[in-house]
Amino acid sequence: SAVISQKPSRDICQRGTSLTIQCQVDSQVTMMFWYRQQPGQSLTLIATANQGSEATYESGFVIDKFPISRPNLTFSTLTVSNMSPEDSSIYLCSVEDSRDEQYFGPGTRLTVT
Amino acid sequence: GDSVTQMEGPVTLSEEAFLTINCTYTATGYPSLFWYVQYPGEGLQLLLKATKADDKGSNKGFEATYRKETTSFHLEKGSVQVSDSAVYFCALSDQGGYQKVTFGTGTKLQVIP
Repeated sequence: SAVISQKPSRDICQRGTSLTIQCQVDSQVTMMFWYRQQPGQSLTLIATANQGSEATYESGFVIDKFPISRPNLTFSTLTVSNMSPEDSSIYLCSVEDSRDEQYFGPGTRLTVT
Repeated sequence: GDSVTQMEGPVTLSEEAFLTINCTYTATGYPSLFWYVQYPGEGLQLLLKATKADDKGSNKGFEATYRKETTSFHLEKGSVQVSDSAVYFCALSDQGGYQKVTFGTGTKLQVIP
């Protein structure tokens, strides 16, 4: 199984600012995923990030709002841009191993005031 | 598109009671099915999975059987403990293309002594 860490674990941000969330994996992985879990709700996939190519965004999510970087096989960042209170969520990254199982990071709890 | 429907919570049980959390799915093709668990204050963990019809996934006393005819993957445990209190998510992964995971809304389980 993969061990995933995220930074920061939580943050409180002001409306209109941006926050970059980091995801580090202890092994090389092809695909990394970014999810959002809004309060009391399930997980929604934001985008899939492959190393060396543009991220693939799900319906309702756009690159200008959620730019993603994937500079190597163990690291990715997700930026939440021009934040509003509606962006208050837990943001999680995940990776998939060779058995098609996904492992999740501990999440970043974002509160926008 | 793919979807997962699971029973509304919260579910409150006494210790040693029998647990069933219902989950049904809609998918094209033959998805893999998963149960994830999120303990209070922690990240999402894979609890069990099944990859084809009639497979039974099991872990920590929990079981779920992949029923293609009823498109279901109900989670069961014969005797719950207080430490099982958590939110349980049913999910599926379409085996076509990359492994996007679609989650249900989650069911909160509270076990009281």
